[in-house]
Amino acid sequence: AQSVAQPEDQVNVAEGNPLTVKCTYSVSGNPYLFWYVQYPNRGLQFLLKYITGDNLVKGSYGFEAEFNKSQTSFHLKKPSALVSDSALYFCAVREDTGRRALTFGSGTRLQVQP
Amino acid sequence: EAGVAQSPRYKIIEKRQSVAFWCNPISGHATLYWYQQILGQGPKLLIQFQNNGVVDDSQLPKDRFSAERLKGVDSTLKIQPAKLEDSAVYLCASTQQGDSGANVLTFGAGSRLTVL
Repeated sequence: AQSVAQPEDQVNVAEGNPLTVKCTYSVSGNPYLFWYVQYPNRGLQFLLKYITGDNLVKGSYGFEAEFNKSQTSFHLKKPSALVSDSALYFCAVREDTGRRALTFGSGTRLQVQP
Repeated sequence: EAGVAQSPRYKIIEKRQSVAFWCNPISGHATLYWYQQILGQGPKLLIQFQNNGVVDDSQLPKDRFSAERLKGVDSTLKIQPAKLEDSAVYLCASTQQGDSGANVLTFGAGSRLTVL
């Protein structure tokens, strides 16, 4: 079985400050991990993914995420938040074998205050 | 390239009525997914197709939901009869052939269903 937990319903941060959105996962084998962002009345947009290799992955709009196998975490980060980053962020996981689809977390709303 | 197309964008129906949603994936994408996103929750997989075959429909409420992808291209998701708890956004996504699991899902804008 595969699952994702996003422990924070909402994260508030001031513009220009660093941000972190937390994600932990559970899979039987090795994980493929993804972050997606959702703006109001829009579909989900891909930000970045971890498949293998370097634990720090860089994605769109200046976002990055760090894979930590021992803590089974894949936290999303950005050094300096923008008001336009305010949106709903979803972490997702699937196992590296088989044909199972992505399992998504419950989402974290990021609010960046000017 | 054109994105994943979905229609209608919005639909309001009474409970016990039926509704159908249509999805046209990105050209050449063999794998197609339907997800249900209830307000305040993350997307939940309803059904996964590989070409015109079903890979996973274990979470599809088959007493009221059905889906097909007859020619391995576009797909239709139907709900009959609808219940209040079916109010949600129905998201369609697709990935390329030979889905290794590392491929990125591309999502459509979604179809928002309100059941009164």
